[in-house]
Amino acid sequence: QQQVKQSPQSLIVQKGGISIINCAYENTAFDYFPWYQQFPGKGPALLIAIRPDVSEKKEGRFTISFNKSAKQFSLHIMDSQPGDSATYFCAAGSNDYKLSFGAGTTVTVRA
Amino acid sequence: KAGVTQTPRYLIKTRGQQVTLSCSPISGHRSVSWYQQTPGQGLQFLFEYFSETQRNKGNFPGRFSGRQFSNSRSEMNVSTLELGDSALYLCASSLEGAAYGYTFGSGTRLTVV
Repeated sequence: QQQVKQSPQSLIVQKGGISIINCAYENTAFDYFPWYQQFPGKGPALLIAIRPDVSEKKEGRFTISFNKSAKQFSLHIMDSQPGDSATYFCAAGSNDYKLSFGAGTTVTVRA
Repeated sequence: KAGVTQTPRYLIKTRGQQVTLSCSPISGHRSVSWYQQTPGQGLQFLFEYFSETQRNKGNFPGRFSGRQFSNSRSEMNVSTLELGDSALYLCASSLEGAAYGYTFGSGTRLTVV
C-alpha cells in the first residue's frame, strides 16, 4: 500500500508562477522527508529534505512546508522556470534504511 | 567526483532467464540501495546493503536477490524472469543510509519479452 500519498499527479504552470505539490503520510515513525527531482532518462536527484523538528525549509526557489499534526508536507517551487519541468517525488523514511516514495508529480512549466 | 555507475544501461531478456545488474557507488559511500521503478507502482524499495550486510529487504519475491562486495560495489540478480519484471532498476548510494541523502544512478532499463 502507498505509505505516502502525493498530489496532484500532474500540473502545468506558467513561467514565473508557483508550483505546489502536496504529500500526506500515516506512519508517525517517519522522521525524514526528502524531495527528489527526476528528468527523463535520469535517476532521481535529491532536491531538498526536512526533519519534523522544523516547519519550513527553503533552498533557493524551493521551499518545503511541514505540518506534523496534519501529517502533511508540501513542496513550493517559486518563480518556476522551463528547466524545472520534471517529475517530482516526495518520500518519507525512518530508521529502517529505506524510503517510501509518493507516486510522483509531473510538472510542466510553459514559457 | 564520479557519480553512481550502473551497468548495463539497457537489457532485453526472455522470460525464464536470469539477469545480473551492477552498481558502483560513489567513492566513500558504504550504503547501496536498489529500487524498482515502473509507471504503475512507482518507486519500490528492493533492498539495502551496508558494509556487505543486508539491512533491509522490500516486499519482493525471493527471485530478487542482491549482494555487496568489500569495495561497496553491489549487484542484484533476478532469476526466472517474468514479464512483470520489466522496469527501470535504480541503484542509490549514500554515506550511511537513506536519511543521509541518496545519489541515484541513471538506472538499468530491463525489458522482459
